[in-house]
Amino acid sequence: NAGVTQTPKFQVLKTGQSMTLQCAQDMNHEYMSWYRQDPGMGLRLIHYSVGAGITDQGEVPNGYNVSRSTTEDFPLRLLSAAPSQTSVYFCASRPGYNLANTEAFFGQGTRLTVV
Amino acid sequence: DAKTTQPPSMDCAEGRAANLPCNHSTISGNEYVYWYRQIHSQGPQYIIHGLKNNETNEMASLIITEDRKSSTLILPHATLRDTAVYYCIVRAVGGTASKLTFGTGTRLQVTL
Repeated sequence: NAGVTQTPKFQVLKTGQSMTLQCAQDMNHEYMSWYRQDPGMGLRLIHYSVGAGITDQGEVPNGYNVSRSTTEDFPLRLLSAAPSQTSVYFCASRPGYNLANTEAFFGQGTRLTVV
Repeated sequence: DAKTTQPPSMDCAEGRAANLPCNHSTISGNEYVYWYRQIHSQGPQYIIHGLKNNETNEMASLIITEDRKSSTLILPHATLRDTAVYYCIVRAVGGTASKLTFGTGTRLQVTL
């Protein structure tokens, strides 16, 4: 049971490049989400999904796309990287969207630098 | 989701209890109080949560006031490994409100 796995751990991109951050969970969780964390700040929600085929925007969605074709995977796509997207990205999952009595599990993060 | 207020930083001597306060004066009846911590830029880690009763697990205790407007996370015997940023979050059940909204948390420094 690996939990939430994010790849890559580190990435450097040039401005304008695109890439996909991968997130996979093996716990059959319905709810998955992506956050970004800038230095000295808390986590901000980018996009989330309440199940396969369903996604929605969070607090800071601009410049990012997501899809959820399977329960296990929730990739985050940067369409045209900008220096303002330099951040640490965390993926999280939890069992049930409508269950309050559940904890979220986080991946170890992807550290992205856009130059 | 209700907003929370936490002190930006606290110190605690190793072996002593660490008491981390959180104010959530606008909490609604269907909102739970959750605590997470983040150690040195790792992914956040769940600690404990509660609705109105006090809760205890192997990591910590959560004390919620009777009016539910504030709570305290207690680490009974803090160690150096408890040095982290601690986030207090309130979250409702279901719908678009069922998201974890992180503030800036309390940076707890445990010292020898």
